[in-house]
Amino acid sequence: QAQLVQSGAEVKKPGASVKISCKASGYSFTTYAIHWVRQAPGQRLEWMGWINAGNGNTKYSQKFQGRVTFSRDTSASAAYMDLSSLKSEDTAIYYCAKEENAFDCWGQGTLVTVSS
Amino acid sequence: ETVMTQSPATLSVSPGERATLSCRASQSISSNLAWYQHKRGQAPRLLVYGASTRATGIPARFSGSGSGTDFTLTISSLQSEDSAVYYCQQYNNWPRYTFGQGTKVEIK
Repeated sequence: QAQLVQSGAEVKKPGASVKISCKASGYSFTTYAIHWVRQAPGQRLEWMGWINAGNGNTKYSQKFQGRVTFSRDTSASAAYMDLSSLKSEDTAIYYCAKEENAFDCWGQGTLVTVSS
Repeated sequence: ETVMTQSPATLSVSPGERATLSCRASQSISSNLAWYQHKRGQAPRLLVYGASTRATGIPARFSGSGSGTDFTLTISSLQSEDSAVYYCQQYNNWPRYTFGQGTKVEIK
């Protein structure tokens, strides 16, 4: 069955960048979009945007526009999220999710801690 | 942006009893609504999509209903493993997707 496996936890200083990977298996990677969602401590799930894994088209939430970049490597069946100019408020668990029927498969989450 | 509002914030229910969770959209989203179960330390799990279609492998005690702006998730006979935070999500206003603030279900 479909599975998404994310890269491990990261600790970053304010102003730095972080890149998280999301490796897919068990389904045709290029057929479905990959979305990125984060959850800061005590907050609701927050949608960040998505990438069409087939053609690479992207759409970003206005909140993150200019700071986030999604990419994918079809040969590796992997998607990536790059978030720059990190602030303490970016401390959160970041998830990738596959969209077939809503978000039917999620990665295990990657904790990003931003601290000086 | 479509704002999703869930109620109540916390629901305390005895095992075997029914739990009813509500979700309201700030504008019509047709039936483009999903429900997720989120347990601490785990990835969210899709329960229902299309407002009322159970996802693969989801027990029959979970059911969704509603359309337009008002939606309900019902857990017909609460089990101990159902303790979690439940989120609704709209995916009508593509490609922008928004979540509710969550309802925490506790076992009495």
